[in-house]
Order: sequence, then structure tokens, then C-alpha cells
Amino acid sequence: NAGVTQTPKFQVLKTGQSMTLQCAQDMNHEYMSWYRQDPGMGLRLIHYSVGAGITDQGEVPNGYNVSRSTTEDFPLRLLSAAPSQTSVYFCASSRLSGADYNEQFFGPGTRLTVL
Amino acid sequence: DQQVKQNSPSLSVQEGRISILNCDYTNSMFDYFLWYKKYPAEGPTFLISISSIKDKNEDGRFTVFLNKSAKHLSLHIVPSQPGDSAVYFCAAGYDTNAGKSTFGDGTTLTVKP
Repeated sequence: NAGVTQTPKFQVLKTGQSMTLQCAQDMNHEYMSWYRQDPGMGLRLIHYSVGAGITDQGEVPNGYNVSRSTTEDFPLRLLSAAPSQTSVYFCASSRLSGADYNEQFFGPGTRLTVL
Repeated sequence: DQQVKQNSPSLSVQEGRISILNCDYTNSMFDYFLWYKKYPAEGPTFLISISSIKDKNEDGRFTVFLNKSAKHLSLHIVPSQPGDSAVYFCAAGYDTNAGKSTFGDGTTLTVKP
């Protein structure tokens, strides 16, 4: 049981480049989300999904796209990278019902630098 | 408008003493509150939660207190251990949108041996 996995761990992009951050979970969780954490700040929600084929915007969605074709995978796409997107990105998953349904399980993060 | 606030960026305590981390919120509609712990270069891990219908929840050395009238919650760690040194995030959410939590900015706890 690997939990939530994220790739890559580190990435350096030039302004204008695009890329996809990968996230996968093996706990059969319905809910998945992407957060970014900037220095000295908390986690801000980018996009989330309550199940395959269903996604919605969070607090800071601009410049990012997501899709959820399977329960397991929830990739985050940066369309045209900007220096303001330099951050640490965390993927998380949780149940939508049952015991401890609101507890989120986080991946180890992807540290992204945009030059 | 930040709905979940942790006003102390850092806290330092001696090993064996009590650590008290505080969190304030503005939205009275939140149904549940959680604390996460984060070590450097790792993702946050769930620590303890409390439903809005309770005022206390305990799990070993960790206790969370909720004061709904003051819109305030606190995390008590007794006794504190050096391994507790980490960033602690307070989070809040709604039952109708389970999993979508709003996070505070975190408090860095340092426990000195």
C-alpha cells in the first residue's frame, strides 16, 4: 500500500513551458485534491475532484488544469509556467464517507521552480 | 479574507512541558476541524480532528479543544518531545464537502531537549 505518490519530486521549468505533475493513490479514495504551499503560508487548494470524471476549482485555479479519468490518478497540468507558480505542490486524497472521511492523506510533494 | 488563522508563526518549548498551539476561524458554518503535522521535505500527516458538536477530543499525548462561541481551537501536546518539532497546520471544513479543507498558515513548534 503506497498511499499517495507524486512524481517528479523536483522540477525546474523555464517561463512559458508546460508540464504535468503526476499524482496517484491506491486507497480507492473518491476525493482527490491539489494544493500549493508557498513559503510561510498554508496550503491553498488549486483543484479538487470527488470522483472520476468530476473536477472543480479551488481557491487558486488560474494557470492550472486537471482531469480525473480514473479513481487512482489525478494529474495537474501547468499550461504556461510563470515564476509566480514556483511553489511546493501537494496532492491529497480522502474518503467521502465513512469513519474519518475528512482526514486527507498527502503525497510527499513536488518542488517546482520556474525561472 | 483568511477563514482559518494561526497567529503564532513559531513556538518553542522545553522537552517534557506542555505545547499549546492555537487556531482561530471566522466561518461559524465549519463542521469539523483537523490538525496536521508536517516535517521538512514531507507531506502533511493527519494528527487529530474534532467535530463541531464536541468540545474536546483526545488521542494519547494530543488533545484538541474547541470553543465555538469564541471560534477558537487549540492543540495541547503533553508531554512535548523533541520528535514533535514540526510545522502544525490547523484546518477546517464542511460535512457537505468532505475532504475540502481550508488551512491556516501553520505554526513551527520547536521542542528543546
